[in-house]
Amino acid sequence: NAGVMQNPRHLVRRRGQEARLRCSPMKGHSHVYWYRQLPEEGLKFMVYLQKENIIDESGMPKERFSAEFPKEGPSILRIQQVVRGDSAAYFCASSLPRGEQYFGPGTRLTVT
Amino acid sequence: RKEVEQDPGPFNVPEGATVAFNCTYSNSASQSFFWYRQDCRKEPKLLMSVYSSGNEDGRFTAQLNRASQYISLLIRDSKLSDSATYLCVVNIGAYSGAGSYQLTFGKGTKLSVIP
Repeated sequence: NAGVMQNPRHLVRRRGQEARLRCSPMKGHSHVYWYRQLPEEGLKFMVYLQKENIIDESGMPKERFSAEFPKEGPSILRIQQVVRGDSAAYFCASSLPRGEQYFGPGTRLTVT
Repeated sequence: RKEVEQDPGPFNVPEGATVAFNCTYSNSASQSFFWYRQDCRKEPKLLMSVYSSGNEDGRFTAQLNRASQYISLLIRDSKLSDSATYLCVVNIGAYSGAGSYQLTFGKGTKLSVIP
């Protein structure tokens, strides 16, 4: 049973470009969460999604960030017009309803 | 006050030592508590859940004190492979029908077990 998969594992973008991060949940999991870990900081919750629904986006920055989890395909975290402060590790987790969250290996975004 | 607070360490201990980590949380409505470990540049992995009655898993013992809003992790007979950052994690569990289940992480306590 494959775990949570994220790609790319490393992503380099120049300031002003767009970043797209993908997350495929564990098989059978319908709940997806995105967290961000800034250098030397703890993980911070960003958004919680179920298929075709954003359930809780209280941790998402108000501008430039969006997330989706379509009926088919992976969940996408999209960052438009990236800035240096967006450089971080972005972790996706998935779970069953009310279940334990399993984390993917993360995408390390570097903005130059 | 930070939502989840931990001593960042580092804790440098010899193999075989016993080491204890502490954590405090600010939201008294918190429902669930966990210890995760995170190896350098890797994803967090669940080490154990923490229950009010205390629980043990091999060399690891976790305790929760709801009145003091305090969580602890004890590692006995430390191994080199225990070297990692230990994350204290709290869940508000605001199951408002939408099922929000965000985890709140501490910054972690770094442990290095030395031969």
